[in-house]
Amino acid sequence: QVQLVQSGAEVKKPGASVKVSCKTSGYIFSSYAISWVRQAPGQGLEWMGWISGYNGNTKYAQNFQGRVTMTTATSTAYMELRSLRSDDTAVYYCARGVGTSADFDYWGQGTLVTVSS
Amino acid sequence: SSELTQDPAVSVALGQTVRITCQGDSLRFNYASWYQQKPGQAPVLVIYGKNNRPSGIPDRFSGSSSGITASLTITGAQADDEADYYCNSRDSSANPVLFGGGTKLTVL
Repeated sequence: QVQLVQSGAEVKKPGASVKVSCKTSGYIFSSYAISWVRQAPGQGLEWMGWISGYNGNTKYAQNFQGRVTMTTATSTAYMELRSLRSDDTAVYYCARGVGTSADFDYWGQGTLVTVSS
Repeated sequence: SSELTQDPAVSVALGQTVRITCQGDSLRFNYASWYQQKPGQAPVLVIYGKNNRPSGIPDRFSGSSSGITASLTITGAQADDEADYYCNSRDSSANPVLFGGGTKLTVL
């Protein structure tokens, strides 16, 4: 069965970086993209960007350009966010997408990143 | 900038039909997908494409679209349907994926 398993919760200080992993199994990694979506406490979903499982091509949302890097290695996707601020405190999800569609059919369990001094 | 607009909250009596809407220019050319999210859980895809349900999603969930408005309809709402619902779609702007702000559905 398809599974996306994310790394554990993180606590970071403002200005630091965080790298979240998303280990996938149960499907052909290169046939799908992985998107990263975050959700601040009590707020809605915000798309951060995606990475192709086929060739590693990326597309980042404007809000995160220059501050986020998405990579892949051996069926695992990674999302690194730099220069963290308190308003980056959120649950970060990875989600599988078919090509460049917005249909995200499987999601990781989420990773809480807390940014606090 | 492009955006998708949803009503913040909707309520429905148990067993009745409810429609949750999502409005935005991107929907003129793209289908909306719909996600159900319960507290403390990851979102779950319930509708995608013209009106497709992933395996395991009850057939009381259906989708439709007209102009710049997409709708998720729950026919015969159950207590278990109480959740937040989000729409999303592709977009041709600098941000290729948009999410609506979410609708909190209460089943009375």
